[in-house]
Amino acid sequence: EAQVTQNPRYLITVTGKKLTVTCSQNMNHEYMSWYRQDPGLGLRQIYYSMNVEVTDKGDVPEGYKVSRKEKRNFPLILESPSPNQTSLYFCASSQGNQPQHFGDGTRLSIL
Amino acid sequence: KQEVTQIPAALSVPEGENLVLNCSFTDSAIYNLQWFRQDPGKGLTSLLLIQSSQREQTSGRLNASLDKSSGRSTLYIAASQPGDSATYLCAVRPWSGGSNYKLTFGKGTLLTVNP
Repeated sequence: EAQVTQNPRYLITVTGKKLTVTCSQNMNHEYMSWYRQDPGLGLRQIYYSMNVEVTDKGDVPEGYKVSRKEKRNFPLILESPSPNQTSLYFCASSQGNQPQHFGDGTRLSIL
Repeated sequence: KQEVTQIPAALSVPEGENLVLNCSFTDSAIYNLQWFRQDPGKGLTSLLLIQSSQREQTSGRLNASLDKSSGRSTLYIAASQPGDSATYLCAVRPWSGGSNYKLTFGKGTLLTVNP
């Protein structure tokens, strides 16, 4: 089954404790992206990647890092999380003119 | 800068009714437009994708239309059911996006179908 898998689904942590949200897709898509969803603000892009070792900033990249060492994986790294990064995060992947596929989301709470 | 607006923000209808959700966008230079469904606490499920050269797409009881020149899309749901209750999101991918397939999302329409 074609899918985008995110882990963890839920995480409560404290300010400053580094964390990584993993994202993996099994569709051999070249394009992957991270979004965050906040009430009243909708979904906003954080980072994207067009292929292995190619990443670039989206609209709200501050406080985040990404890497793309393998085609299937695109982890999101919060080096020093802060409360304003409390949000619902989605990973997406796509290829060419095909629909974008989204993961089930990761709800992060940073205290 | 592309802006996507969805009206209404919320809609409540009785079961069996046909309904239309609206999406408008400010920049007509789009590559495609995608409709998603989001259930509470869940991810986004792609419903329909309309390429910029297309006028409409259909899947089951769903029909999406695109009028690029006027910056509008509609999602038509026939014979609505309680299971259709969810938030429906419209998203556009820019033509000039180059290597970024970034989607610009509307804020969604919360649909409630009452039994």
